[in-house]
Amino acid sequence: AQSVTQPDIHITVSEGASLELRCNYSYGATPYLFWYVQSPGQGLQLLLKYFSGDTLVQGIKGFEAEFKRSQSSFNLRKPSVHWSDAAEYFCAVGAEAAGNKLTFGGGTRVLVKP
Amino acid sequence: EAGVAQSPRYKIIEKRQSVAFWCNPISGHATLYWYQQILGQGPKLLIQFQNNGVVDDSQLPKDRFSAERLKGVDSTLKIQPAKLEDSAVYLCASSLVRAGEAFFGQGTRLTVV
Repeated sequence: AQSVTQPDIHITVSEGASLELRCNYSYGATPYLFWYVQSPGQGLQLLLKYFSGDTLVQGIKGFEAEFKRSQSSFNLRKPSVHWSDAAEYFCAVGAEAAGNKLTFGGGTRVLVKP
Repeated sequence: EAGVAQSPRYKIIEKRQSVAFWCNPISGHATLYWYQQILGQGPKLLIQFQNNGVVDDSQLPKDRFSAERLKGVDSTLKIQPAKLEDSAVYLCASSLVRAGEAFFGQGTRLTVV
């Protein structure tokens, strides 16, 4: 069975500082990996995805993530955080072999200090 | 392209009452998901459809929850009878076959009192 762990429940970062959110997954084969963002009262918006190929993927809003197979990780990064990045971030794993079932981590809430 | 539509946005019911949620996925998306998101947690998959058929409903509490997908398009999720612990946001999502990328609706926030 696939699973996702996001070790950090909350992260507080100053505006303009860099941000890194951790994600570790468990799956026997190469999974599909996703990062979603959820603003209060909203649904989930896809930030970026990894299916195959280049392990460094670029997404929307200046985010990027790096797939590291040896560490079973898919960490999300942003060089300079804006106040509008305050939200909850979810890492998710899917697999074609599992019928494209998407499994989510518990989320990391990001607070941005002025 | 229209997104995933869900209704209602908010619902308050008393325990032991019934409630139904509706979802219209993105046109052409064969896969449809219903997720339950309890406050402070990540979304938990309740049921996944591929066209009309159920792919995974292992985490659906079948004694009280039911879902159907009519003609492989719209879907409804029903809870009968509701319990206090069913208070959550119910998210519907859809994706193309074998693409894996899911698009989410805004969700229905259910409060059971």
